[in-house]
Amino acid sequence: KAGVTQTPRYLIKTRGQQVTLSCSPISGHRSVSWYQQTPGQGLQFLFEYFSETQRNKGNFPGRFSGRQFSNSRSEMNVSTLELGDSALYLCASSWSGQANEKLFFGSGTQLSVL
Amino acid sequence: TQLLEQSPQFLSIQEGENLTVYCNSSSVFSSLQWYRQEPGEGPVLLVTVVTGGEVKKLKRLTFQFGDARKDSSLHITAAQPGDTGLYLCAGDRGATNKLIFGTGTLLAVQP
Repeated sequence: KAGVTQTPRYLIKTRGQQVTLSCSPISGHRSVSWYQQTPGQGLQFLFEYFSETQRNKGNFPGRFSGRQFSNSRSEMNVSTLELGDSALYLCASSWSGQANEKLFFGSGTQLSVL
Repeated sequence: TQLLEQSPQFLSIQEGENLTVYCNSSSVFSSLQWYRQEPGEGPVLLVTVVTGGEVKKLKRLTFQFGDARKDSSLHITAAQPGDTGLYLCAGDRGATNKLIFGTGTLLAVQP
């Protein structure tokens, strides 16, 4: 069974640009959540999608957005990039997104903003 | 404000030593999970503890959930180089997949 796939693996952008990251969950998983990981703040929850609907959102500005498609694949978009957006962006999937359900993480997309 | 504080932040030990990592909070969690993350990879779930006072063992790793469900510990017996990695605790407060991650403990086990 294929794991969670995130593309691209690495990305370099400049301030002001926008970026789209992609996540393909494990087959059959309908919940996809996104996390930002930085050395200073650790792992922080961005948002969670289930059946194309955003069910939960973390404390991030509106520049961070996402969506989920009918096949459960998800994308997240960051507009007007800032230096502080440099981070490892992790996507995780699970069957239904119920609390304490096992999460499967992808390897992440390393975003560098110059 | 970080709701889950882990200690120590860094730990470098020799193969064969024992160690304990702590995960503390002033908040109550419905459950607590422990993950290990290796460089260039996403976190991998090790265990989930749900009941206050619960103890779970995974080979040489022992996990305990505090009685009040505010804290947890991870004890590793006879550490091996393969145990090297970033250990993260994560708590859920009932919201769907909105995990609150701890500050992390970076463990290096020298052969």
